[in-house]
Amino acid sequence: DAKTTQPTSMDCAEGRAANLPCNHSTISGNEYVYWYRQIHSQGPQYIIHGLKNNETNEMASLIITEDRKSSTLILPHATLRDTAVYYCSPWGSARQLTFGSGTQLTVLP
Amino acid sequence: DAGVIQSPRHEVTEMGQEVTLRCKPISGHDYLFWYRQTMMRGLELLIYFNNNVPIDDSGMPEDRFSAKMPNASFSTLKIQPSEPRDSAVYFCASSLLDVAGGTDTQYFGPGTRLTVL
Repeated sequence: DAKTTQPTSMDCAEGRAANLPCNHSTISGNEYVYWYRQIHSQGPQYIIHGLKNNETNEMASLIITEDRKSSTLILPHATLRDTAVYYCSPWGSARQLTFGSGTQLTVLP
Repeated sequence: DAGVIQSPRHEVTEMGQEVTLRCKPISGHDYLFWYRQTMMRGLELLIYFNNNVPIDDSGMPEDRFSAKMPNASFSTLKIQPSEPRDSAVYFCASSLLDVAGGTDTQYFGPGTRLTVL
């Protein structure tokens, strides 16, 4: 199974873009990259996913490198409510999401 | 839609007791997943169902754990007998297969925090 590496923590000023990196160098060719976040004591919340191409939705943008060994989640205008632990996970035919320790994003006023 | 509903939200029990966790998936979803989350091991998939049929239960720790899905709107995860090492947050998630894209996005419930004394 592909493993992921994320920084333990990051700070971001409110209103600025938050860029959260994820290393997934062992991801398989047919595995997607999914991003979720978890606000304290709540269930994980889906953010975005992608395979090869960059993706954008109402919550965030996902940039995947051409070699697919890493990706970056971008929250374009972070708010205090975006403070959470962010997880990236490979996803494939086994349908299993695997969250490591994630990145604690703290948005500062 | 109310989202995935789990009950109870908190459960405290004594070692050896039977524990039953309940889940109501999002209406229309055809996949249901049970996960366990701990600080030490992160998020672990225990079992998942497709159209009420168990597909992969390789993550179920041992015979003390069992899961059922009697219909499309209800599932249970039972632990009998419970042990202190079962203490964790148990999440239920559901999804609908996107046939065109070949993916399904899992939506999680709020979880059940289980403490076994």
